[in-house]
Amino acid sequence: DTGVSQDPRHKITKRGQNVTFRCDPISEHNRLYWYRQTLGQGPEFLTYFQNEAQLEKSRLLSDRFSAERPKGSFSTLEIQRTEQGDSAMYLCASSLQGASTEAFFGQGTRLTVV
Amino acid sequence: QQQVKQSPQSLIVQKGGISIINCAYENTAFDYFPWYQQFPGKGPALLIAIRPDVSEKKEGRFTISFNKSAKQFSLHIMDSQPGDSATYFCAATTSGTYKYIFGTGTRLKVLA
Repeated sequence: DTGVSQDPRHKITKRGQNVTFRCDPISEHNRLYWYRQTLGQGPEFLTYFQNEAQLEKSRLLSDRFSAERPKGSFSTLEIQRTEQGDSAMYLCASSLQGASTEAFFGQGTRLTVV
Repeated sequence: QQQVKQSPQSLIVQKGGISIINCAYENTAFDYFPWYQQFPGKGPALLIAIRPDVSEKKEGRFTISFNKSAKQFSLHIMDSQPGDSATYFCAATTSGTYKYIFGTGTRLKVLA
């Protein structure tokens, strides 16, 4: 499968715990995006990387959230001191840099904070 | 100004009918408008997309109509099938960033 891969698919955690998600983009894609989707809503942009550089962060990305893409390949999204409001689907997407390519989404990681 | 407003919230169509979903935007800098299809538990999958230099784009049973002056665009699904039952999202962005602003989604159910 050469699509965007996310791991884990599901995560249940207790409030206050830290969690980390991984995204493996399509191999030749140099742009990587994180979105958050709550039930019944459209995905909301969180942040994006071009290669290893984090170019933009949404104000939705509080200080408890951090994302990395250390070698310009896979990316991790960490949430510290999780809260119940963090429960959502976390989606990763990737694309080639350029004006005429589209973004491809992974299957997402469903986070439930109890 | 960054919002994309989508309607209806839900839609029920008979098999073989036409499904129509509408979106409106404010930011005139947007120049790429994709539609995504999402099944439960899956990530969004690109269905069809349009740029504002054309008023219509058709791919199979799916057509986007674009009205630049009204800042509106719509998805038409012809000959709707039960397998089309899913949530559809419109989105907008500026070229090259793919920082999408998504609509709130339309849950489509096609009755057999």
